[in-house]
Amino acid sequence: AQSVTQPDIHITVSEGASLELRCNYSYGATPYLFWYVQSPGQGLQLLLKYFSGDTLVQGIKGFEAEFKRSQSSFNLRKPSVHWSDAAEYFCAVGARNAGNNRKLIWGLGTSLAVNP
Amino acid sequence: NAGVTQTPKFQVLKTGQSMTLQCAQDMNHEYMSWYRQDPGMGLRLIHYSVGAGITDQGEVPNGYNVSRSTTEDFPLRLLSAAPSQTSVYFCASRDLTLGYTFGSGTRLTVV
Repeated sequence: AQSVTQPDIHITVSEGASLELRCNYSYGATPYLFWYVQSPGQGLQLLLKYFSGDTLVQGIKGFEAEFKRSQSSFNLRKPSVHWSDAAEYFCAVGARNAGNNRKLIWGLGTSLAVNP
Repeated sequence: NAGVTQTPKFQVLKTGQSMTLQCAQDMNHEYMSWYRQDPGMGLRLIHYSVGAGITDQGEVPNGYNVSRSTTEDFPLRLLSAAPSQTSVYFCASRDLTLGYTFGSGTRLTVV
């Protein structure tokens, strides 16, 4: 079955510390991979996406993610967290070649808290 | 600013009432969708549309109707509101590279 797992429901880090949010997927085809961020009371904003090529992708707000096919993972990283990064983070997977009906499969999210 | 506009932002309904959540996008995206977001359940797809005049069901379509008469608009109708429909609703449109743009959401409470 197709699924996306974000093992950490909640993470707390100190401001200035490094961050890694985990995402594992189960998918029958070569996937498109995404990370979205949701600030409280807001909609979701795209942080970064992987389609092909370099497996290390750079996104907005200083985030990056690495696609590891052998581990079926797409972990999100940031070298130094800012207080404004406190939010909910969602990983999502989509099919490459399913036409216009292709849909995303969403993880349940990881809530990030940042201590001053 | 280009994007997805949802109205209203907040709504309280009584059980059995009907209402329409509005969604409009100005990016000429063919694909639009409605999600509901509930604690611990992530985002669940209600209905989606791949173009004007074409709609289809997602994971949780019961109790909701949609129509797509124009590329820009994709309203979601609650036929007879139930407490189980208390949720935050997001409309999203998508470009050809699967990049989704989300609206800011509608927080609905059914009492």
